[in-house]
Amino acid sequence: AQKVTQAQTEISVVEKEDVTLDCVYETRDTTYYLFWYKQPPSGELVFLIRRNSFDEQNEISGRYSWNFQKSTSSFNFTITASQVVDSAVYFCALSESMEYGNKLVFGAGTILRVKS
Amino acid sequence: GAGVSQTPSNKVTEKGKYVELRCDPISGHTALYWYRQSLGQGPEFLIYFQGTGAADDSGLPNDRFFAVRPEGSVSTLKIQRTERGDSAVYLCASSLGGKGTEAFFGQGTRLTVV
Repeated sequence: AQKVTQAQTEISVVEKEDVTLDCVYETRDTTYYLFWYKQPPSGELVFLIRRNSFDEQNEISGRYSWNFQKSTSSFNFTITASQVVDSAVYFCALSESMEYGNKLVFGAGTILRVKS
Repeated sequence: GAGVSQTPSNKVTEKGKYVELRCDPISGHTALYWYRQSLGQGPEFLIYFQGTGAADDSGLPNDRFFAVRPEGSVSTLKIQRTERGDSAVYLCASSLGGKGTEAFFGQGTRLTVV
């Protein structure tokens, strides 16, 4: 069965600190997709990144970077020089194989609190 | 608007009543999903539409839950004989429908059954 584990329930940092959010997944599929979403207090899930199982290149987007390692089934997310606006719940998700589209299996989320 | 729109944003209903939750996806998105998010947890899949048909309804918890998308755009999630355990945020998402395409979520409907 598909499963996503986000072991960190809550993380608190001081502004400008770097922070890494961990994500470990389980799947029997050889082709799959991994996602990170941000959920601010407003409640809307905001898409951050998608990675397919054949692309293990790490990605950087501004202060955000992602480290995908198939060998350890991990897809970790790092925020560099964190800001108060980064405070939110972050979800890692795995797509199940479907003919079209994606059925996402989410982790329980990590609450990130960035203090000024 | 440009995003996924869900109405109402909040719904309080009495136990045993019937409710309908509406989702208006991004124009042109053929795939539509419903998820349910309980407090402190990640969203859980309920049902997926490709066009007008329900391609996968394996996440619906029981036969009190039903969803439709008659014209391939707006979708309605219907819950009969509501129970207190149905209280949650119901999230709708849409995507272009290709494998691996990212889903865009609405702000959700917070359902409270009293």
